[in-house]
This record gives sequence, C-alpha cells and structure tokens, in this order.
Amino acid sequence: NAGVMQNPRHLVRRRGQEARLRCSPMKGHSHVYWYRQLPEEGLKFMVYLQKENIIDESGMPKERFSAEFPKEGPSILRIQQVVRGDSAAYFCASSPQKGALNEQFFGPGTRLTVL
Amino acid sequence: KNEVEQSPQNLTAQEGEFITINCSYSVGISALHWLQQHPGGGIVSLFMLSSGKKKHGRLIATINIQEKHSSLHITASHPRDSAVYICAVRPQGGSEKLVFGKGTKLTVNP
Repeated sequence: NAGVMQNPRHLVRRRGQEARLRCSPMKGHSHVYWYRQLPEEGLKFMVYLQKENIIDESGMPKERFSAEFPKEGPSILRIQQVVRGDSAAYFCASSPQKGALNEQFFGPGTRLTVL
Repeated sequence: KNEVEQSPQNLTAQEGEFITINCSYSVGISALHWLQQHPGGGIVSLFMLSSGKKKHGRLIATINIQEKHSSLHITASHPRDSAVYICAVRPQGGSEKLVFGKGTKLTVNP
C-alpha cells in the first residue's frame, strides 16, 4: 500500500506565475489536509477536504490560494500569481475518515521556491 | 503565546543518552500527535495519544490531560535519531485540523 504521494517534490516558479501542487492520498483515504511550513517556522493548517467538498479552509489565505479534491484524481493546491512569501514546504496528509482518533499520514512535501 | 509550546528548542546529546522532549498546550484537546521530521524534510507520525502512555521500540510517549502536558522519551539514543520532533494537538470541538509546536531539533553525536 503506497503512502501519500505528492508531486512535484520541488517546484520553482517566478513571481506572478501559477503553482499547482498535487497530493494523492493513501488508498482508501477520503480525507485530505494541506499544511504549510514557512522557513524557520512551524507547520500551519491550511485546508481540509473530503472528496468533492471543502470542509474547513480557515487556514487558507483569502486570495490567490485554492484547493480541490475531485471525485477522480489527486487533490490540488493551486497558488495563483505567486510571490516570494509563498516559498515554503507544502505538506499533504490523508486519513481514512474523520474523528479525533484517526491518524493522519503525511506525504513527503513539495518545496516551492519563488524567484 | 502559541497554543502548543515545546522545550527545548534545540537539544544535543551523546549516543546512548536518555532524551526527553516536552510539549505543553493551552487548549482542550481530543488527541495529541508526536511527529518526526528528518533533514530531508519528510514527516513521519510516531504516536497519537489521547491518554496514558505508548511505547514503540526505544520511543515512549506520555500524556497528562489534566496538566495539558506530554513528553516524548528516547532511550539509548543513536545518531540516526537526529531529527526535528514536532508535537501537534487536535483541539476539542470537532475540528479536524492539527495545531503544531515549532519543533525540537535533536542532534545525537556518536
């Protein structure tokens, strides 16, 4: 059973371009979480999705950022018109169902560098 | 003040030493997680606790819900244990998101 997959592992974009980060959850997992780790800072929650639904986007910046988890295919975190401050590691995690005692399994992360 | 505080921020030990990393939190929680992040950056879940104590190999995690405190212990530390250890809590109230401490960077020298 493959773990959580993220691609690309490294992404370089120039200011103003778009960044698309992909996350394929573990088989059988229908809950996906996106977290951001800024340089020298701790991880911060961004968004929680179930298949076709955004459940909690309270950690997502209001502008330029969007996320989706379609019925088929990976979850996508999309950042439009990237700025240097978006440079960070973006981690995806998945769980089989919601609930306090359900463990989240993390992917290897995508390291975004904005030039 | 952060909702999740870890201490120490940095820890250097000699191989074989017993290691303790502490985590205090200020909110009611439904679960606490200990995670490990290696220099390559990947994150591995070590433990998920809601009460008591768990052990896995040389790692032991304890939690005291009344005192809002958890500890991660490593017995017979080894250089391969060198990593950042992160405490994360799931606040009560049905939220699915995790709130993270800033991590403790552990270096174990041979």
